[in-house]
Amino acid sequence: QQKVQQSPESLIVPEGGMASLNCTSSDRNVDYFWWYRQHSGKSPKMLMSIFSNGEKEEGRFTVHLNKASLHTSLHIRDSQPSDSALYLCAASSGSWQLIFGSGTQLTVMP
Amino acid sequence: VTLLEQNPRWRLVPRGQAVNLRCILKNSQYPWMSWYQQDLQKQLQWLFTLRSPGDKEVKSLPGADYLATRVTDTELRLQVANMSQGRTLYCTCSAVGGDQNTLYFGAGTRLSVL
Repeated sequence: QQKVQQSPESLIVPEGGMASLNCTSSDRNVDYFWWYRQHSGKSPKMLMSIFSNGEKEEGRFTVHLNKASLHTSLHIRDSQPSDSALYLCAASSGSWQLIFGSGTQLTVMP
Repeated sequence: VTLLEQNPRWRLVPRGQAVNLRCILKNSQYPWMSWYQQDLQKQLQWLFTLRSPGDKEVKSLPGADYLATRVTDTELRLQVANMSQGRTLYCTCSAVGGDQNTLYFGAGTRLSVL
């Protein structure tokens, strides 16, 4: 069973709009979350990490974490066509491995 | 700045043949090296983490068998055998092991089955 669930599977937003992506872990041992972005034909690149309850903002990107519900969300404001990519959520429960969700495919329409 | 160099970048593998992949670490500040596979549905899955020269591990997953070796402090290898479905193998590195270990990905090796 998938331990990291992402929604929606795909998302289309207009240029300049807000994109909101969700991720939940079913493993109560998870403590740390990352968001990675993967453009078509490229390797994943770390976008943001969050380890504490609350919110973290970097430019147009904001992540939220609720440790009680093991839910994190990524919000992209003023979305640009260059933001079109596969967004991957990853979680760690203290082992060597990161568990990845199946991703949200974001398309920003000009 | 490129932290990892993977080769080859792409390989067509005849069914039943094995292929050897190589990953070179360019920055010794990120010594924890791992292999991840990404299937055709884009699902990423951890395979191995090897820290010390001489470390070896084997694993069988649906669609392929793997043997990973940490050859030196800067070189990681992966042998892929009995592959039945295409996939991309990524080498990763991180500064620490375990929690809070942000991963940095190499460019990947895309394998297709002939």
